[in-house]
Amino acid sequence: DTEVTQTPKHLVMGMTNKKSLKCEQHMGHRAMYWYKQKAKKPPELMFVYSYEKLSINESVPSRFSPECPNSSLLNLHLHALQPEDSALYLCASSQDAGLAEGYEQYFGPGTRLTVT
Amino acid sequence: AQSVTQLGSHVSVSEGALVLLRCNYSSSVPPYLFWYVQYPNQGLQLLLKYTSAATLVKGINGFEAEFKKSETSFHLTKPSAHMSDAAEYFCAVSDQDNAGNMLTFGGGTRLMVKP
Repeated sequence: DTEVTQTPKHLVMGMTNKKSLKCEQHMGHRAMYWYKQKAKKPPELMFVYSYEKLSINESVPSRFSPECPNSSLLNLHLHALQPEDSALYLCASSQDAGLAEGYEQYFGPGTRLTVT
Repeated sequence: AQSVTQLGSHVSVSEGALVLLRCNYSSSVPPYLFWYVQYPNQGLQLLLKYTSAATLVKGINGFEAEFKKSETSFHLTKPSAHMSDAAEYFCAVSDQDNAGNMLTFGGGTRLMVKP
């Protein structure tokens, strides 16, 4: 099973709302990632978790708050977003965050977020 | 710093024709290279990866890619295009200088297949 699941599939939220995106994998992977993808652009890395600890934050605004409750789950908490934050948010996982084997990342289907 | 360039943001081929999607990378150390495909409103699916075991890499759906160090290229090919191959394709690189298995993506190439 190489599936990464994400919920919800679509989310519309106002600029004062608080919402969360959820990602889950059951492949035993120890690295998990959040990406943001705008239309017709490649994914942009936001956060990397390695062994449930935040290892990389790509200077993401604090209105995005990641959380890794356990090795299978990854959340992205959203608060006071701006319309320009509207995008497809992708979660990915890999066996490890180390580079010894060039581990591939497996992506979920994404959450389409619209901020009004 | 590593980078990836995909020549041609749009490529159009006829059904049954050869597919060639170009990818050039720059990396100061031996890289790991990946091709991903993204269908509309979906996530990215791994097509194939290069990790130095063999220069010709076979992937899913009949795709393959050849690593050419002298040309710093990793072009994706398929002998005969199907309508179902129409999608966005991303080349990506990670290398040993990066922390956290970070991928650097190319700008993407949209493949269109004409009947």
